[in-house]
Amino acid sequence: AQSVTQLGSHVSVSEGALVLLRCNYSSSVPPYLFWYVQYPNQGLQLLLKYTSAATLVKGINGFEAEFKKSETSFHLTKPSAHMSDAAEYFCAVSAPPGSNYKLTFGKGTLLTVNP
Amino acid sequence: EAGVTQFPSHSVIEKGQTVTLRCDPISGHDNLYWYRRVMGKEIKFLLHFVKESKQDESGMPNNRFLAERTGGTYSTLKVQPAELEDSGVYFCASSQGHDRVKYGYTFGSGTRLTVV
Repeated sequence: AQSVTQLGSHVSVSEGALVLLRCNYSSSVPPYLFWYVQYPNQGLQLLLKYTSAATLVKGINGFEAEFKKSETSFHLTKPSAHMSDAAEYFCAVSAPPGSNYKLTFGKGTLLTVNP
Repeated sequence: EAGVTQFPSHSVIEKGQTVTLRCDPISGHDNLYWYRRVMGKEIKFLLHFVKESKQDESGMPNNRFLAERTGGTYSTLKVQPAELEDSGVYFCASSQGHDRVKYGYTFGSGTRLTVV
């Protein structure tokens, strides 16, 4: 069984400040991990994914995440927030191909960027 | 390339009524998935089609929900009769192949269902 915990349902940062969105996972098998973003009135868009290659994963729009097995974490960061980053962010986990393929999502973190 | 299209975008119905949600996947995508987000909770898997066949419907909450994908193109999700706890956002996603890492998912914008 797999699960995801996103710490903080709402994170507020100032424009130009560091963005840190936390995600911890639980998985009985080596996981694949994903971050999705949902902008208002749009669908879920893939930001980045970890698939057992490099532990530091770079995604779109300047975001990156680091897989830390010892901490069972996959936190999302961006050095400098932009107003356009305001959205809801979802961390998700799934088992590798050949097993349970379903995405298991966290509850989401709403990011607010203040001018 | 057109994305995954869902309609309606919003639906407000009374308890006991029937609602049908529709999803048009990206052309050529054999895999179609339905997910649901109830307010304040996680996005949860409902079911998965490969072409017109249901591969996994383990996430369907109860027999008031019926999903179809006739002809392997668009899919519908019918809720009959609707209950208050069915309120939420229903997402559809499609994928060319089942390996979501290699092929990825494309999600639609969702249908926000409100049952009053």
